[in-house]
Amino acid sequence: GNSVTQMEGPVTLSEEAFLTINCTYTATGYPSLFWYVQYPGEGLQLLLKATKADDKGSNKGFEATYRKETTSFHLEKGSVQVSDSAVYFCALSDQRSGNTGKLIFGQGTTLQVKP
Amino acid sequence: SQTIHQWPATLVQPVGSPLSLECTVEGTSNPNLYWYRQAAGRGLQLLFYSVGIGQISSEVPQNLSASRPQDRQFILSSKKLLLSDSGFYLCASDAGAYNEQFFGPGTRLTVL
Repeated sequence: GNSVTQMEGPVTLSEEAFLTINCTYTATGYPSLFWYVQYPGEGLQLLLKATKADDKGSNKGFEATYRKETTSFHLEKGSVQVSDSAVYFCALSDQRSGNTGKLIFGQGTTLQVKP
Repeated sequence: SQTIHQWPATLVQPVGSPLSLECTVEGTSNPNLYWYRQAAGRGLQLLFYSVGIGQISSEVPQNLSASRPQDRQFILSSKKLLLSDSGFYLCASDAGAYNEQFFGPGTRLTVL
């Protein structure tokens, strides 16, 4: 069935370091892919999305490219800030029959950025 | 853009007591609605989803139920809470062209 796998956390970086959070997926059809961010005590916020192969989603300095050949959607940021400390979730839209609208989430990756 | 409201923000309830969590959506019509639970330090578990008024699908067998009495209202309930019902409950709505979901601020439930 469809699934999303994220790298294990926590990821601890110093401010201004380069960030990569790996995400790979298994899916039938052509799902859309998403990254969500959850700050402590809050709900999830949509960070970026990509809806077809080779699309690059970007927002707030974060980027991710939809790679169908490697079934990956890795999240990157060139220079992280302390305020980026949060839990990041990778997700895909489940387009199998009868599941329209449902998302499948990875287990989340905690990012801690130290000053 | 749509806005999702949840209340209460926090709740402490004794084991065996009833539960009612409410979610309302603004800025969209006829959305699909979702209830998730997030245990401490863990990922999201989809509990229920609804594609319309009175239409509820349950994803996992549990002590909880859901109802959708109006197009933009989604309620999560229990007749008797268990300790294992503790967690962070999130309501979500999707109305985007690519199934992106938008989340409410969540309700933190502690069952003692």
